[in-house]
Amino acid sequence: NAGVTQTPKFRILKIGQSMTLQCTQDMNHNYMYWYRQDPGMGLKLIYYSVGAGITDKGEVPNGYNVSRSTTEDFPLRLELAAPSQTSVYFCASKSGTEETQYFGPGTRLLVL
Amino acid sequence: AQSVTQPDIHITVSEGASLELRCNYSYGATPYLFWYVQSPGQGLQLLLKYFSGDTLVQGIKGFEAEFKRSQSSFNLRKPSVHWSDAAEYFCAVAPFGGATNKLIFGTGTLLAVQP
Repeated sequence: NAGVTQTPKFRILKIGQSMTLQCTQDMNHNYMYWYRQDPGMGLKLIYYSVGAGITDKGEVPNGYNVSRSTTEDFPLRLELAAPSQTSVYFCASKSGTEETQYFGPGTRLLVL
Repeated sequence: AQSVTQPDIHITVSEGASLELRCNYSYGATPYLFWYVQSPGQGLQLLLKYFSGDTLVQGIKGFEAEFKRSQSSFNLRKPSVHWSDAAEYFCAVAPFGGATNKLIFGTGTLLAVQP
């Protein structure tokens, strides 16, 4: 049981490049979340999903897109990377029957 | 709007000393309350949570937290800190009964432990 896994662990992007951050969970959780963490700011919710095929915006969705074609996977897409997207990105999941979210190890992204 | 305040950005304690990290929330009803810990370069690990019932909850690694409704607080405590407790600690709330129970995080408290 791996829990929530994220790839890559670290990535450097040039301004204007695109990339997809991968998130997979093997707990059969319906709910999945993407957060970004900036120094001194805590974690901010980017997008979330309540099940396959259903996604919605969080607090800071601009510049990102998501999809949820399966229960297990919830990729986060950056289309035109900007320096403001330099951050650490965390994926999390939870079941529909308990309130605890389980976090992945994070992806550190640097946009130069 | 719902919010979580962790007034202490950085705390330094000596190994073996007691610890209390403060957390206050702003919400109309009692939300679900959580404390997470993040070790350097790691993801977030759940320390403990409060949903209802006994207002003193026990967590992992010897931590406990007390919910005080009158003060809208959920402070984290540990009687004797170990060097391995050096990490960043986040308080979070989720609105009771919310459809997605999105977590709202505080800005975190960075704990340093002196030998």
